[in-house]
Amino acid sequence: GAVVSQHPSRVICKSGTSVKIECRSLDFQATTMFWYRQFPKQSLMLMATSNEGSKATYEQGVEKDKFLINHASLTLSTLTVTSAHPEDSSFYICSARQLDTQYFGPGTRLTVL
Amino acid sequence: SQKIEQNSEALNIQEGKTATLTCNYTNYSPAYLQWYRQDPGRGPVFLLLIRENEKEKRKERLKVTFDTTLKQSLFHITASQPADSATYLCALAYYNAGNNRKLIWGLGTSLAVNP
Repeated sequence: GAVVSQHPSRVICKSGTSVKIECRSLDFQATTMFWYRQFPKQSLMLMATSNEGSKATYEQGVEKDKFLINHASLTLSTLTVTSAHPEDSSFYICSARQLDTQYFGPGTRLTVL
Repeated sequence: SQKIEQNSEALNIQEGKTATLTCNYTNYSPAYLQWYRQDPGRGPVFLLLIRENEKEKRKERLKVTFDTTLKQSLFHITASQPADSATYLCALAYYNAGNNRKLIWGLGTSLAVNP
C-alpha cells in the first residue's frame, strides 16, 4: 500500500521558535498533500491543501503566515509553524492523495512550552 | 446544516462477534465514502472506499455498505479480535455548490473488543 512518512514524530520547543514538519510520500508521487491538526477526542481538522508547484490553499480561520506550507516536489511537503505559542500545541498529521484516497503519515506531536 | 455523524458512544463487544459502526450524513451530494482506523497517537490508516453507486464492499473481515437513500454507511468487522480495538473514522467526499470535491470527517467511534 501507499506509505507516507512524517518527521519528526514528536517535538518540544520554546514559545517564539519555529518548527518544521516534513511529510513524504515514499512509494508514490503526490500532486496534492493535506495538512490536518487534531485535538484530543476531536475530528481531523483540515488546515490546508498543498499542491506541488503552487501556493497552498488554506481553510478559513487558518493563518497562512503562521503555518507556512511548501510543496516543492511530488514527494515532499513541509509545514512550518512560525513563532509557535502554547496554543499551537497539537497533533499535526499530513496526508498524500493517490487517486481518490488519502494516505496519512503517522503524525507529529507538537508541544510548545 | 451539513454534517456527518458517527455513533458517539463507544462500542464494546465480545471477541468473535460482529462489530457494526454507523456513519450518517445529511444534505450532501456524495461521491464516495471512506473508512479509516486510527490508533491513539497515530495517523489514520485507510481501510475501504465505497462509491455512491456501490451498495457493498468487502475486504477480508471488513464489509462496508452505502445507502444513499438512507444517507448512511455501515461498517462491519466480522469475527472481531482484540487487535481490532481502535477508533474508526468515516470520511465522506462530496461535491459542493461550486462542484468542487470536498472531504468531511466524522468524529469517529471507539471500538473495544474484549477477549
